[in-house]
Amino acid sequence: AQRVTQPEKLLSVFKGAPVELKCNYSYSGSPELFWYVQYSRQRLQLLLRHISRESIKGFTADLNKGETSFHLKKPFAQEEDSAMYYCALFSGSARQLTFGSGTQLTVLP
Amino acid sequence: NAGVMQNPRHLVRRRGQEARLRCSPMKGHSHVYWYRQLPEEGLKFMVYLQKENIIDESGMPKERFSAEFPKEGPSILRIQQVVRGDSAAYFCASSPQVGVAQPQHFGDGTRLSIL
Repeated sequence: AQRVTQPEKLLSVFKGAPVELKCNYSYSGSPELFWYVQYSRQRLQLLLRHISRESIKGFTADLNKGETSFHLKKPFAQEEDSAMYYCALFSGSARQLTFGSGTQLTVLP
Repeated sequence: NAGVMQNPRHLVRRRGQEARLRCSPMKGHSHVYWYRQLPEEGLKFMVYLQKENIIDESGMPKERFSAEFPKEGPSILRIQQVVRGDSAAYFCASSPQVGVAQPQHFGDGTRLSIL
């Protein structure tokens, strides 16, 4: 069965500092991974997906199959990045998203 | 496009009552997913539906819970004889078709509270 682990429930960094939100997964097939973000009082929205290899709002995430990780990184955090971040794995066979428990990021001024 | 619409946003029920949660997918989307989020936990998949069909209900409790997505109208998640443990946020998502190239779009959720 697939599993997504986000070991940090809470993460605080100062504005301008680098930030890394950790995500590890367990899946026997070829994984398709996503990061979703939920800003205060807003709905969950897609931030980025690994197949696109894109950078959104300065965030990037690289799939490391050897370490089964998909960590989210940003070199210089901004206060508006404060939000709840969820890592998710799409299971093609089950056709569902498996979410991690989320990391609440707070960027301090 | 108004996005995925869920109502009500908040629902309060007493133990033993029924709860009905509604989800209207984005225009043009024919696939609907329901997730449940318990306090301090991530979203957990419950059920995946297409119009008039339940495709995967492996995450849904066998008793008291049911879901439908009729030909006309919103998708409904129905919880009969609610208990305190049903208190959670229930999120609906939709996509135009299945596949990683088609990310799921989420609604604001329904927060269900059981007294």
